[in-house]
Amino acid sequence: SAVISQKPSRDICQRGTSLTIQCQVDSQVTMMFWYRQQPGQSLTLIATANQGSEATYESGFVIDKFPISRPNLTFSTLTVSNMSPEDSSIYLCSVGERDTNYGYTFGSGTRLTVV
Amino acid sequence: SQQGEEDPQALSIQEGENATMNCSYKTSINNLQWYRQNSGRGLVHLILIRSNEREKHSGRLRVTLDTSKKSSSLLITASRAADTASYFCATGTFEYQGGKLIFGQGTELSVKP
Repeated sequence: SAVISQKPSRDICQRGTSLTIQCQVDSQVTMMFWYRQQPGQSLTLIATANQGSEATYESGFVIDKFPISRPNLTFSTLTVSNMSPEDSSIYLCSVGERDTNYGYTFGSGTRLTVV
Repeated sequence: SQQGEEDPQALSIQEGENATMNCSYKTSINNLQWYRQNSGRGLVHLILIRSNEREKHSGRLRVTLDTSKKSSSLLITASRAADTASYFCATGTFEYQGGKLIFGQGTELSVKP
């Protein structure tokens, strides 16, 4: 299965600033997914990123707040813009292919604290 | 949005005992997967069961799926302290939703030595 390098692992940011999270995959994958996990909660899908097209956002998430880039089949970034304390969460990227027996692979997560 | 409920939300057992976690979902699925998360870090895939399967085993793990009840269970036998983690079910409807997974609320398992 794929191996994902996610950076940074954690950050403390000031209110009103932006943070860009990077995920690098060791193989080419069609779909990449970005999730948010608020404190003590489950994972909520933010968007699906396919190479060469705009990301598809889930209800409640907008591109202006969470712009995503997918320049090639091994890399993606998620930016959390104009941050507020409510954005304090763990952000995870994930890759997976259709019809797989091996499940999806997740990055190690970025723990974001906004002060 | 979350797919459904998991119960219990928290489970505390002694080492050597079995742990059973349940997951319910709302929509038709292609497969259901179970993941483990240690201390808020990345998720580790445990097992996948397809909608046309009823039971699957992997080591100390046993998963069942009842599509008529839209529910699944994960059994961990002979638990160890190292099994302490949060466990999440996730459903995939690949043909219709572009491959994304929708996660349940999770069960926090504590195994005491």
